[in-house]
Amino acid sequence: AQSVAQPEDQVNVAEGNPLTVKCTYSVSGNPYLFWYVQYPNRGLQFLLKYITGDNLVKGSYGFEAEFNKSQTSFHLKKPSALVSDSALYFCAVRDISGNTPLVFGKGTRLSVIA
Amino acid sequence: GAVVSQHPSWVICKSGTSVKIECRSLDFQATTMFWYRQFPKQSLMLMATSNEGSKATYEQGVEKDKFLINHASLTLSTLTVTSAHPEDSSFYICSAPTSGRRTEQYFGPGTRLTVT
Repeated sequence: AQSVAQPEDQVNVAEGNPLTVKCTYSVSGNPYLFWYVQYPNRGLQFLLKYITGDNLVKGSYGFEAEFNKSQTSFHLKKPSALVSDSALYFCAVRDISGNTPLVFGKGTRLSVIA
Repeated sequence: GAVVSQHPSWVICKSGTSVKIECRSLDFQATTMFWYRQFPKQSLMLMATSNEGSKATYEQGVEKDKFLINHASLTLSTLTVTSAHPEDSSFYICSAPTSGRRTEQYFGPGTRLTVT
């Protein structure tokens, strides 16, 4: 069975500082990994995904994530946080088949303080 | 990218009534759609997989008679919450994968259901 763990419920960072939102995964085969962001009362917005290839994936709004197979991690990063980045972030995984649902982590609330 | 819409975006209904939520893939066909439920400050939990032309597949613990799913066409899936109760109040989100092996899943904007 697939699973995703986001160990932090809340991450606080000062504006302009780098941010990291952690995610580890567990799958039986090769993982397809995703990060989504959710603003209050809104649906999910896709940030980035890892399918294969370079371990460092660049996505929307200046976010990037590094796939680390040995540590089974896919941490989300941004070099310089903005107040507008404050939101709920979800890591998700699915298997190689396209018609399978995503399995989500519990989410991490990011708060960027001016 | 592909677009998935949901209607209504929010709905308030009285206890005991039924509510239908629509999920549409606007510019692609989706033989499969997924329905998720999100309680406040919690993650998305898969409720069921909607399959065009066949019965939906429900996750363990989800009452199929209460949450009726109909995938009547390649662009429309509906979720009907029957005899709604306050505990059914939640944020319901659908998603649809595009076709092909390396598909992308697109999420609807969600429907906020409040049962009074």
